[in-house]
Amino acid sequence: SAVISQKPSRDICQRGTSLTIQCQVDSQVTMMFWYRQQPGQSLTLIATANQGSEATYESGFVIDKFPISRPNLTFSTLTVSNMSPEDSSIYLCSVGQGREQPQHFGDGTRLSIL
Amino acid sequence: AQKITQTQPGMFVQEKEAVTLDCTYDTSDPSYGLFWYKQPSSGEMIFLIYQGSYDQQNATEGRYSLNFQKARKSANLVISASQLGDSAMYFCAMRDYTGRRALTFGSGTRLQVQP
Repeated sequence: SAVISQKPSRDICQRGTSLTIQCQVDSQVTMMFWYRQQPGQSLTLIATANQGSEATYESGFVIDKFPISRPNLTFSTLTVSNMSPEDSSIYLCSVGQGREQPQHFGDGTRLSIL
Repeated sequence: AQKITQTQPGMFVQEKEAVTLDCTYDTSDPSYGLFWYKQPSSGEMIFLIYQGSYDQQNATEGRYSLNFQKARKSANLVISASQLGDSAMYFCAMRDYTGRRALTFGSGTRLQVQP
């Protein structure tokens, strides 16, 4: 299975600032996904990161708030912009190798906004 | 639209006993996959087991088995011989094969294994 490195693992940020989360995979993958897990909640898909095209965002998530880059088949970044305390969550990247293969996750980024 | 329902917010089980975590799903797609993940307090998502909608037999992986009842749209996880290290959040998820490839998650079940 793919090995996914995500960083930073955690951060504490001031409101109004932005943070970029990096996700590196040890093999080429077609699809990369970004999820958010708010405290005590389940995982919610933010967007699908497509190589060579713009990310596809889910309802309730917009590019201005969560810009995503996917420069190649092994790397993606998610930026959380103009942060507020409501953005305090775990952010996870995930990759899917094939339709019947499990998605594997990075260890997540625990983000706290003061 | 897909939907995953986990009706047990929390479960307790004695060490060495078996436990069943419930999961029901709803989808109009004929082809889909069902997954279970474990999330310990450290936060990482650990894949446990997968069941395809056309699989004839229930999936098994070590102490984990998936009780798949397609007509009832249920995919319950059975953990045999519970261990203290099994204490964690457990999420049921599904993915259809005709639309988006991301996972839809249930709300999760917190399992606590008691000595």
